[in-house]
Amino acid sequence: DTAVSQTPKYLVTQMGNDKSIKCEQNLGHDTMYWYKQDSKKFLKIMFSYNNKELIINETVPNRFSPKSPDKAHLNLHINSLELGDSAVYFCASSQLQGVGELFFGEGSRLTVL
Amino acid sequence: DQQVKQNSPSLSVQEGRISILNCDYTNSMFDYFLWYKKYPAEGPTFLISISSIKDKNEDGRFTVFLNKSAKHLSLHIVPSQPGDSAVYFCAASEGGGADGLTFGKGTHLIIQP
Repeated sequence: DTAVSQTPKYLVTQMGNDKSIKCEQNLGHDTMYWYKQDSKKFLKIMFSYNNKELIINETVPNRFSPKSPDKAHLNLHINSLELGDSAVYFCASSQLQGVGELFFGEGSRLTVL
Repeated sequence: DQQVKQNSPSLSVQEGRISILNCDYTNSMFDYFLWYKKYPAEGPTFLISISSIKDKNEDGRFTVFLNKSAKHLSLHIVPSQPGDSAVYFCAASEGGGADGLTFGKGTHLIIQP
């Protein structure tokens, strides 16, 4: 019973392609996030959604578009992939916006060739 | 600009001894601090947190100390166990909670038998 699950776990693709990473949480949390862990190992927030509404949108290229069909899902779509997009992307959720700890998924390792 | 710094990329400690992981921050607006533990190929898992109104929080073998004047926090693990071998991330937030956590680069703790 994985609390926060993301698919796929590994993704290898060519530059210029479009890809999506899906995330689902079964914790009943209101807020979901996407974080990126880059080659320097920094975990940086990309987006935050609360009850399907975008709350945080850090400086992320327009090629990245999150979509939240319902509060249990937050998918990340990336257009025109670039080499610099190679990273591990973590989905996370929290019970309330701005309160408490985050629960993370296992991460999705994206490699752009 | 690293607002949360973990200056030791790795730390090796003998089993049974105390492990001390350090974290420094530069943003004086941070008021909530968390430690996450991460095993390879898994997402970070929440370990312990502390609000800026406290200077110590204890949970079993884990204690977090906060020195606001020095903008420094530390995580103490005692006694250290082999299962504690992991990467530990320090994280900080403004506004008291999980929104927009800023992470350090992590410290890889290795517990030697």
